[in-house]
Amino acid sequence: GAGVSQSPRYKVAKRGQDVALRCDPISGHVSLFWYQQALGQGPEFLTYFQNEAQLDKSGLPSDRFFAERPEGSVSTLKIQRTQQEDSAVYLCASSRRDRVPSDTQYFGPGTRLTVL
Amino acid sequence: GDSVTQMEGPVTLSEEAFLTINCTYTATGYPSLFWYVQYPGEGLQLLLKATKADDKGSNKGFEATYRKETTSFHLEKGSVQVSDSAVYFCALTTGAGSYQLTFGKGTKLSVIP
Repeated sequence: GAGVSQSPRYKVAKRGQDVALRCDPISGHVSLFWYQQALGQGPEFLTYFQNEAQLDKSGLPSDRFFAERPEGSVSTLKIQRTQQEDSAVYLCASSRRDRVPSDTQYFGPGTRLTVL
Repeated sequence: GDSVTQMEGPVTLSEEAFLTINCTYTATGYPSLFWYVQYPGEGLQLLLKATKADDKGSNKGFEATYRKETTSFHLEKGSVQVSDSAVYFCALTTGAGSYQLTFGKGTKLSVIP
C-alpha cells in the first residue's frame, strides 16, 4: 500500500517568508508525528496528533511554528517568518495506534527546507 | 530526560566484514527500542525493534538484543554487503509524553567492495 508522502520534497525560502509543508499519512493511521532533522543529527520531536487533536506540541521551537490536522488525515506544518536556523529536513511519521510504545512509526521522505 | 548514545561514525568496512554499532540509552520507565536505517536519498525505514528485556530483533541479517542490565541495544551483522551502506539510527520510545521517538545522532556506514 501507499506509504507516508510529503510535499514539497525541497523548499527554498528567503528569510522572513512563510512556508507550508504537507504530510499525507498512511490511511487509517491514528497517530501523526512531526520531527526536525538538522544536518548530521538524529530527528527531534516537534509535535503529535491523535486523529485531529494536537495533543503535544512541546517540541515546537517557537511560536512561529504551527501544525494542524483538521480532518484527522493530512497534516500541514507551517513556519512563519522563516529564519536561517529553521533550515533542516522536516519529517512526518504515522503509526496505526494511539500511544502504544512498541508501535512502528512509518516515515515519509521528508521536506528539505533551506532558508537563505 | 530520555536519551540515546550511539557510536560516532563514519564507519568504513570491507564487504563481508563483521559489523557492530554500539547503542546505549537512558530512559524513564521501560522503553521500546528500535533501529532505523536511512539509505542514500531515501526516508527512514524501520530495520528492527525489541519491546522487552532479552528480546532479540532481527531483519535482513541484522540483529540487536535488548539488554536491560547494560541499557544497551547494539546492532550487529555477520557479513556486510555494499548495499548496507547507509546511516543507522538507534531510537527509543517510553510511556512518557506522546510516545515519540528519541533518536541517537546516527552512524554512517560505508561498505567497500
